[in-house]
Amino acid sequence: SAVISQKPSRDICQRGTSLTIQCQVDSQVTMMFWYRQQPGQSLTLIATANQGSEATYESGFVIDKFPISRPNLTFSTLTVSNMSPEDSSIYLCSACGLAGSQETQYFGPGTRLLVL
Amino acid sequence: AQRVTQPEKLLSVFKGAPVELKCNYSYSGSPELFWYVQYSRQRLQLLLRHISRESIKGFTADLNKGETSFHLKKPFAQEEDSAMYYCALQGAQKLVFGQGTRLTINP
Repeated sequence: SAVISQKPSRDICQRGTSLTIQCQVDSQVTMMFWYRQQPGQSLTLIATANQGSEATYESGFVIDKFPISRPNLTFSTLTVSNMSPEDSSIYLCSACGLAGSQETQYFGPGTRLLVL
Repeated sequence: AQRVTQPEKLLSVFKGAPVELKCNYSYSGSPELFWYVQYSRQRLQLLLRHISRESIKGFTADLNKGETSFHLKKPFAQEEDSAMYYCALQGAQKLVFGQGTRLTINP
């Protein structure tokens, strides 16, 4: 299994500022992902964090707004840039690891962001 | 395109009653389907996957390709089953989630 931690767990930010969220996995994993969960909504995939190369973004998400780094197999960051109140959401880090012989997607506890 | 639909946002049943959480999907390829659960104040975690064909915490889910459904069932609900349940589809190397169903088990 893979245990995922995120920092910070929550933050309140002013509009126009940026916040970087860190994600650490306790074991080497193949894939890492970033999701957003807006209030009352389901999880939406932002991007796949690729080790040593640019992230792969989903439709509606761009690198300028959500730059992502993944310098190694166990760590990734997501930055929410030039924030507006619409960015208020829970941001979740996820990673694929083995559970027995099956690949399983694990989730971090989330970062709750409020933009004023 | 991948799509997962959970038609019930809220579901409330009495303890000991049967539970069925509905999930329908749309995917042109061969789907891999999952149920994830989020208990209060806990992180999202995998409950079960269709390829394992197993029962977890008394829950089972059968993939019905004809009806494109993957409903989650439990014959006798328990209070500790109260949680948010998400159906998810794995395709093209990404996991797509349904809207979720909040299940409440009344004593």
